[in-house]
Amino acid sequence: GQQVMQIPQYQHVQEGEDFTTYCNSSTTLSNIQWYKQRPGGHPVFLIQLVKSGEVKKQKRLTFQFGEAKKNSSLHITATQTTDVGTYFCAGYRGGGADGLTFGKGTHLIIQP
Amino acid sequence: EAGVAQSPRYKIIEKRQSVAFWCNPISGHATLYWYQQILGQGPKLLIQFQNNGVVDDSQLPKDRFSAERLKGVDSTLKIQPAKLEDSAVYLCASSFSFDRGSGYTFGSGTRLTVV
Repeated sequence: GQQVMQIPQYQHVQEGEDFTTYCNSSTTLSNIQWYKQRPGGHPVFLIQLVKSGEVKKQKRLTFQFGEAKKNSSLHITATQTTDVGTYFCAGYRGGGADGLTFGKGTHLIIQP
Repeated sequence: EAGVAQSPRYKIIEKRQSVAFWCNPISGHATLYWYQQILGQGPKLLIQFQNNGVVDDSQLPKDRFSAERLKGVDSTLKIQPAKLEDSAVYLCASSFSFDRGSGYTFGSGTRLTVV
């Protein structure tokens, strides 16, 4: 079955440093989505990438979708304490016949 | 708009007992999903409904788990009998359409502890 892998599993940064998490799918994706889950909370949708090579920005967050539509990355510039949480990528193969496959997530820990 | 409603928020049961979770999706969302999230891991899809029909239940342990969405709106997930390894957060999510780029909206989840 489809697998989605994320690295790193944990990332400790000092506040103000940048952060990047990488996502790799075992199969070509129709689209990829990113979610953020705060400690004790539920996943919250951040963004969806559809096109090969697509780059989208949300304030300090930059999302990229690879040319082959099998990998993606999320980069946060100048982290703040509010960025703490787990960032999940989730791949969708298309066709509507199955749901999103989530990676295991990257836990971002920020030291003030 | 109102979010995805789930109840109960927490449940503690003994192994071999049964338990049921309820979900009410966002109004107008035809697709409803149940995910299981074990501590420290990503959500794992259990079952997907389109209106009141099952689209994908390939990862649902059907010997003990069942789910229904009779009128195409709210849904119930049941576990009978529960095992220790079923301890997890059960998340319900709904979506309108992938074409709209809106992603899934998750409920707050039900945290199940099996002792």
